[in-house]
Amino acid sequence: AQSVTQLDSQVPVFEEAPVELRCNYSSSVSVYLFWYVQYPNQGLQLLLKYLSGSTLVKGINGFEAEFNKSQTSFHLRKPSVHISDTAEYFCAVRRDSSYKLIFGSGTRLLVRP
Amino acid sequence: KAGVTQTPRYLIKTRGQQVTLSCSPISGHRSVSWYQQTPGQGLQFLFEYFSETQRNKGNFPGRFSGRQFSNSRSEMNVSTLELGDSALYLCASSLAVGGTDTQYFGPGTRLTVL
Repeated sequence: AQSVTQLDSQVPVFEEAPVELRCNYSSSVSVYLFWYVQYPNQGLQLLLKYLSGSTLVKGINGFEAEFNKSQTSFHLRKPSVHISDTAEYFCAVRRDSSYKLIFGSGTRLLVRP
Repeated sequence: KAGVTQTPRYLIKTRGQQVTLSCSPISGHRSVSWYQQTPGQGLQFLFEYFSETQRNKGNFPGRFSGRQFSNSRSEMNVSTLELGDSALYLCASSLAVGGTDTQYFGPGTRLTVL
């Protein structure tokens, strides 16, 4: 069975500072990895995904993530955050041939001026 | 191209009633998945449909059911509503051409059970 752990429930950060949101997963099989963002009263929007190939993945809105197989991690980073990045961020895994996403508990990013 | 649409956006029901939620996938998408989001349990997978067939099912009681129509639109039904069914119900669609598909989410239906 797969599981996802997001270690931080909330991350406060000042505007223009860098941020890292941590995600660790466990799985006995190869998985695909995703980061989604949820703004208040909205659905989930895909930020980026790792399927195979380069371990550094670039996404929308200046976000990037690095897949580390040995540490089973997929941390999300942004070098300089904006107020508009305030939202909840979810890490998720999915097995090949399955459409079932397993989500972490989410990290609330709070960007302060 | 229009995104995933869900109707209604908000619903208020009372315990014991039943409810039907609707999801229209992105044009050309054949797979539709449903998720329940609550503050306590987070995001949990309900079920996934492809070509009118349920392919995967999460760990929910039989009161939760769904179906998919020939045009890929999907509905989910919850019977005998309980207070704990209050949640945001999210629908996601994908092309279903392979395991690397991306799933695109709709805005959700917020169900409140009184």
